[in-house]
Amino acid sequence: EPEVTQTPSHQVTQMGQEVILRCVPISNHLYFYWYRQILGQKVEFLVSFYNNEISEKSEIFDDQFSVERPDGSNFTLKIRSTKLEDSAMYFCASIAGGKGEQYFGPGTRLTVT
Amino acid sequence: GDSVTQMEGPVTLSEEAFLTINCTYTATGYPSLFWYVQYPGEGLQLLLKATKADDKGSNKGFEATYRKETTSFHLEKGSVQVSDSAVYFCALSGSDSWGKLQFGAGTQVVVTP
Repeated sequence: EPEVTQTPSHQVTQMGQEVILRCVPISNHLYFYWYRQILGQKVEFLVSFYNNEISEKSEIFDDQFSVERPDGSNFTLKIRSTKLEDSAMYFCASIAGGKGEQYFGPGTRLTVT
Repeated sequence: GDSVTQMEGPVTLSEEAFLTINCTYTATGYPSLFWYVQYPGEGLQLLLKATKADDKGSNKGFEATYRKETTSFHLEKGSVQVSDSAVYFCALSGSDSWGKLQFGAGTQVVVTP
């Protein structure tokens, strides 16, 4: 069964450093998403991406965040200068289109020290 | 804005007990409603969904009915197993969104033998 993959599974970084979280969505999917889950809190929407541009973003997704689909298979989330409060589990998801099922990756745990 | 409220956990049950997890929502228009499950150390998996009022979603013995009059989508299972131990998330996708999911806080379910 096709699946969404994410790397790395765990990333530790120092405050102020840049991190790139990587996702490989399911190959024929068209819509891509990033969510995050701070420990003990709810899963929060960050951004959606379609046709090589951001279609929607939340208030959390400020200028420190960016997304890219550099090569037609990878979908990346970059945090330019990490803060302690960016520590969370980050989930990538994709859907084929419309109101289809969102398939989630296993997540990347980001720890900012 | 759209929001989802679900009962707090943890919910601890014995095997073969009846499970109910309450979920209510606030949304404009006609959202789609979902239950996702997260097993320990894994990503989010779609458990069931309903896209219009009075629809019943079902999967693996779990059921939930989209009740527009009470803005609810309660999850039920008649006889739980130890393997059902997980965190369950209620979520909605607004009728005017790009598929973005709004999640509830999640309810941890622990089933003991």
